[in-house]
Amino acid sequence: EADIYQTPRYLVIGTGKKITLECSQTMGHDKMYWYQQDPGMELHLIHYSYGVNSTEKGDLSSESTVSRIRTEHFPLTLESARPSHTSQYLCASSLGLYRLEDNSPLHFGNGTRLTVT
Amino acid sequence: GDSVTQMEGPVTLSEEAFLTINCTYTATGYPSLFWYVQYPGEGLQLLLKATKADDKGSNKGFEATYRKETTSFHLEKGSVQVSDSAVYFCALKRGNTPLVFGKGTRLSVIA
Repeated sequence: EADIYQTPRYLVIGTGKKITLECSQTMGHDKMYWYQQDPGMELHLIHYSYGVNSTEKGDLSSESTVSRIRTEHFPLTLESARPSHTSQYLCASSLGLYRLEDNSPLHFGNGTRLTVT
Repeated sequence: GDSVTQMEGPVTLSEEAFLTINCTYTATGYPSLFWYVQYPGEGLQLLLKATKADDKGSNKGFEATYRKETTSFHLEKGSVQVSDSAVYFCALKRGNTPLVFGKGTRLSVIA
């Protein structure tokens, strides 16, 4: 049973629209992540957060923004959708153990499949 | 920087065949190593992990041994089932930096 929820599950939207992908987790995890998964399955880290009011850019972040106002919520916003944004977006969280080696596993949502026409 | 290289797929096997998916890594220090699995229409889930050299991770009949001398973490299963059809990702983690994933290997098991 998923403890990390992503909405919507599927979204079709026109070019130029602003969209927000929602991600919530009920596990009290401090660390949260957004990944873009291309059709070839490869994962690209877009943004991540180590806790409330913390956000960091990943490898593929230039056209999106995130916020972390509450521990459980980590929304991703595309200011102006383009066809190149068509992809699957996966949200994940982890416990975030504050020690030198944090090996806590990532828990993933089921993803949002975005199509920009 | 840190990187993970895993064998390209797709891999197609008959039921009860032996599975190996190769994974090698490049990293400074002593990373932890993971295998994640993604079933159709779902997100990834942790399959197994190993946190130090010579550790063996195992779960659901899958095994992988952390080999520092060959910088490898190959995934193996003695007898695959149709239900094992999925995409498998090798990953490494160093300190508090985000996970670094390989590109994924798609496995199809046919009855």
